[in-house]
Amino acid sequence: GENVEQHPSTLSVQEGDSAVIKCTYSDSASNYFPWYKQELGKGPQLIIDIRSNVGEKKDQRIAVTLNKTAKHFSLHITETQPEDSAVYFCAASRKTSYDKVIFGPGTSLSVIP
Amino acid sequence: ETGVTQSPTHLIKTRGQQVTLRCSSQSGHNTVSWYQQALGQGPQFIFQYYREEENGRGNFPPRFSGLQFPNYSSELNVNALELDDSALYLCASSSLLGPDTQYFGPGTRLTVL
Repeated sequence: GENVEQHPSTLSVQEGDSAVIKCTYSDSASNYFPWYKQELGKGPQLIIDIRSNVGEKKDQRIAVTLNKTAKHFSLHITETQPEDSAVYFCAASRKTSYDKVIFGPGTSLSVIP
Repeated sequence: ETGVTQSPTHLIKTRGQQVTLRCSSQSGHNTVSWYQQALGQGPQFIFQYYREEENGRGNFPPRFSGLQFPNYSSELNVNALELDDSALYLCASSSLLGPDTQYFGPGTRLTVL
């Protein structure tokens, strides 16, 4: 069935360093890949997304890359700050008659001041 | 803030009881999806509602049911509660005929004793 794997499950970085989270997906028909940040006690918040016709997208300190051939996509956060500490989820979906989004298991990111 | 609201924020029930959770979608969004997020895991798709009808369902039994109202708000009903139903229940709104980005509410924390 459809599956999204995510690594690492936990990540600890020094403030100012970069953080990279990697995901793979199984459904080759997936064409939309959002990333969500979830803080304690809150719902997931969309931070960036990428579609299958694009290989890379950047928004300030956050960038995502997509390799459709290998079914890999990654999140890069540069110049990390303590407020970046949260759980990050990658996800995949295909635009069909409904928007079923498959989430990865999450990465707990800790940024140490 | 996404504009998606959920009620109640917390709920405690006993095994065998029934529960109703509520969601108001973001203005302009006509589609509501429900997800179950167990502790330490990514959200799992339950179902989606569009134009007051179920428009796709994940691997959840029929005791999970829903409604969508003309104003696009939605309810999630769970009958015959089991201990494993304890989780954070998230709703997400989107516009099926527009960008497929889903925006999540803060969730309802359900505890089944």
